[in-house]
Amino acid sequence: QVTLKESGPALVKPTQTLTLTCTFSGFSLSTSGMRVSWIRQPPGKALEWLARIDWDDDKFYSTSLKTRLTISKDTSKNQVFLTMTNMDPVDTATYYCARTLLRLGGYDYWGQGTLVTVSS
Amino acid sequence: DIQMTQSPSSLSASVGDRVTITCRASQSISSYLNWYQQKSGKAPNLLIYTASSLQSGVPSRFSGSGSGTDFTLTISSLQPEDFATYYCQQSYSTPHAFGGGTKVEI
Repeated sequence: QVTLKESGPALVKPTQTLTLTCTFSGFSLSTSGMRVSWIRQPPGKALEWLARIDWDDDKFYSTSLKTRLTISKDTSKNQVFLTMTNMDPVDTATYYCARTLLRLGGYDYWGQGTLVTVSS
Repeated sequence: DIQMTQSPSSLSASVGDRVTITCRASQSISSYLNWYQQKSGKAPNLLIYTASSLQSGVPSRFSGSGSGTDFTLTISSLQPEDFATYYCQQSYSTPHAFGGGTKVEI
């Protein structure tokens, strides 16, 4: 059974750095073709793709946010991390991690999401 | 970056109606197009991948078509549980952009 769960602070102050953890089970990120992404959704708005890390440690980022984002993984702990620097109130959103497979393309399993509010 | 445009942004329909949602990519994405359903307060759920492949467990009233830049999601007979927001997403190249969403209302 594949599951993913996001964790991290619910509230961060402007200019602070956000670190989120995606802890997953039911698959290994060392398996060829496995990929995990971060996606966010501001309240009442559309989904926004942020970053992806692949089984071979390739990393990909949103063009508009790439200077602020870092994605990494700890394969032994089944965890993927996202750091976002210089947080702003417009970054208030529910942050999801999701799994995809090279052969699939779509994100077949998602975490429940974690709401991060940026406010002083 | 590839941009994804969905239309309409919202629609009203009745149970039993046939519903069609369109998605257009700013450049060709072959068949690397996915569709999701999202209900209020929940994570998105994958319905269709690679334009026309039905994800396991998804009812057959959902279907997808298209290639290149123009794609369609069709619900053949709308059910009460289908009232939700639908998103397209391209997986041809990163960043994997999503469309703006289509809210299907009663």
